[in-house]
Amino acid sequence: AQSVTQLDSQVPVFEEAPVELRCNYSSSVSVYLFWYVQYPNQGLQLLLKYLSGSTLVESINGFEAEFNKSQTSFHLRKPSVHISDTAEYFCAVSSNDYKLSFGAGTTVTVRA
Amino acid sequence: DVKVTQSSRYLVKRTGEKVFLECVQDMDHENMFWYRQDPGLGLRLIYFSYDVKMKEKGDIPEGYSVSREKKERFSLILESASTNQTSMYLCASSVPGQGPPEQFFGPGTRLTVL
Repeated sequence: AQSVTQLDSQVPVFEEAPVELRCNYSSSVSVYLFWYVQYPNQGLQLLLKYLSGSTLVESINGFEAEFNKSQTSFHLRKPSVHISDTAEYFCAVSSNDYKLSFGAGTTVTVRA
Repeated sequence: DVKVTQSSRYLVKRTGEKVFLECVQDMDHENMFWYRQDPGLGLRLIYFSYDVKMKEKGDIPEGYSVSREKKERFSLILESASTNQTSMYLCASSVPGQGPPEQFFGPGTRLTVL
């Protein structure tokens, strides 16, 4: 069995400031890791994923996440946020070929 | 692009009604999923299906059933709606056996049971 803990439920941040969203997981086997984003009144979209290889993965809109096996973490970062990054962010983990376990979500609110 | 559509964005029903939530995907995916999303709880899996007429219970199946008669369509059924089933319902689909299970989500149906 696996579980995901997102350590912050709400993260307020000013525009152009950096942001870090923390995610820890527990699993006894190798995992795949994902970050999904949900903009207001929309479904979830995949932001980035760790499959294997390089522990640092990047998205096309400036987010990055680093897989740390020893700390069982997959924290998400962005060096400079925009108003349009206001959304809810979900960390998810999978150890097989179909099921995902999601964290509770982190709401990021970017203020001018 | 994969497209997952859900029949309604908003739905209001009364306690005891039978409710159908429909989901359709257009990419020939074998796997389909129903989740409910509640504040502070993230997404919880209700049921999933890995093939036509095949289904498995997720983490919170009580009070729900599903139907998958065609590959592209997966229906969630609330046999007798209750107020504690007021929630956002998300459908997703994915392709098995091709590496990590990236799931593609629909826009969601916000169900209110009065």
